[in-house]
Amino acid sequence: AQKVTQAQTEISVVEKEDVTLDCVYETRDTTYYLFWYKQPPSGELVFLIRRNSFDEQNEISGRYSWNFQKSTSSFNFTITASQVVDSAVYFCALSEAQNYGQNFVFGPGTRLSVLP
Amino acid sequence: AAGVIQSPRHLIKEKRETATLKCYPIPRHDTVYWYQQGPGQDPQFLISFYEKMQSDKGSIPDRFSAQQFSDYHSELNMSSLELGDSALYFCASSLGQGSYNEQFFGPGTRLTVL
Repeated sequence: AQKVTQAQTEISVVEKEDVTLDCVYETRDTTYYLFWYKQPPSGELVFLIRRNSFDEQNEISGRYSWNFQKSTSSFNFTITASQVVDSAVYFCALSEAQNYGQNFVFGPGTRLSVLP
Repeated sequence: AAGVIQSPRHLIKEKRETATLKCYPIPRHDTVYWYQQGPGQDPQFLISFYEKMQSDKGSIPDRFSAQQFSDYHSELNMSSLELGDSALYFCASSLGQGSYNEQFFGPGTRLTVL
């Protein structure tokens, strides 16, 4: 069965600090997809990134970067020079290729508070 | 670009009432998913439809039913509402099935049961 763990329930940082959000997943499938979503206080789910299991290349998008390591089943998310607007709940999610219905399994989320 | 539309955005109901949530997928998307997110919880998958047929079922209570119509919009019908049904309900859509197809989430409907 697929499972996503985000061990950090809440994180508080001061603006301009770097912060890394951890995500560890479990799956027996060899083909799967990992996602990160941001949920600001307004409630909508904002797509950040999708990564397939065959692509272990790390990715950087502005202040955001992702470190995918299959060896440790981790897909960590780093925000560099954090800003108050980064305050949100961040969800890591997993979708297995054999799951034809393609529903996501979300992690419990990490609430990030960036203080001015 | 057009996004997933959900209506209503907010809904307040009394216990034992019924509620209908609507989801309009992105044009040409043929797959719709419903998720329920309780307060402080992660979204939980309820049910999905592909080409108007149910394709997968998650933790959807028997009191809930859903369908996808010929224009691909979907409705989630909730009966005998309970206090615990208060949650944010997300609809997502994708083009085709398969986990490689990205799901696009709507803004959610916040249901409050009093």
